[in-house]
Amino acid sequence: QKEVEQNSGPLSVPEGAIASLNCTYSDRVSQSFFWYRQYSGKSPELIMSIYSNGDKEDGRFTAQLNKASQYVSLLIRDSQPSDSATYLCAVMKTSYDKVIFGPGTSLSVIP
Amino acid sequence: EPEVTQTPSHQVTQMGQEVILRCVPISNHLYFYWYRQILGQKVEFLVSFYNNEISEKSEIFDDQFSVERPDGSNFTLKIRSTKLEDSAMYFCASTERRGETQYFGPGTRLLVL
Repeated sequence: QKEVEQNSGPLSVPEGAIASLNCTYSDRVSQSFFWYRQYSGKSPELIMSIYSNGDKEDGRFTAQLNKASQYVSLLIRDSQPSDSATYLCAVMKTSYDKVIFGPGTSLSVIP
Repeated sequence: EPEVTQTPSHQVTQMGQEVILRCVPISNHLYFYWYRQILGQKVEFLVSFYNNEISEKSEIFDDQFSVERPDGSNFTLKIRSTKLEDSAMYFCASTERRGETQYFGPGTRLLVL
């Protein structure tokens, strides 16, 4: 079983719609969870970090964490064409400090 | 806003040659990392470094790789004898506290011919 799984996409949404990105992880000792955005040829850019169950909102972005289901999601409201990128779910285990990345979900926001 | 910087942005080398990739982490950060991303694949952890020693390394990080913090600002990744399969983007990252967000540099694109 892969450590961090994401739908590879591409996920296409119209401009102004809500984009929903999902991620599951296999190791229950995972403690810290991150969503990064990566444009083609660029480095990962942090969007959100979440450490406890529930929702965390930052502007148009909402991260949701459910440790019992080992599930993390990212909602992007009012999607813009500039949101078109690959979204990387990343997980950090307790007592380790390496980040384990998922394969990413490609999002395309259609004007 | 402070950021991680990396040099060079691109490096082309011949198979078997040594390369050194350089990073300047954010100044108050204490934990440093190298990751790589082969084209079309996911970002993979290579090594973490704290207090002048390696704290964790992946199976990718074999004897051909080494890291060093030669002074108070630079953090380097050396590949002693490059292979074709070392062609990838190499990202440096740093964080102030273990377990918290890691901030990534812009990357070095390494091409081994």
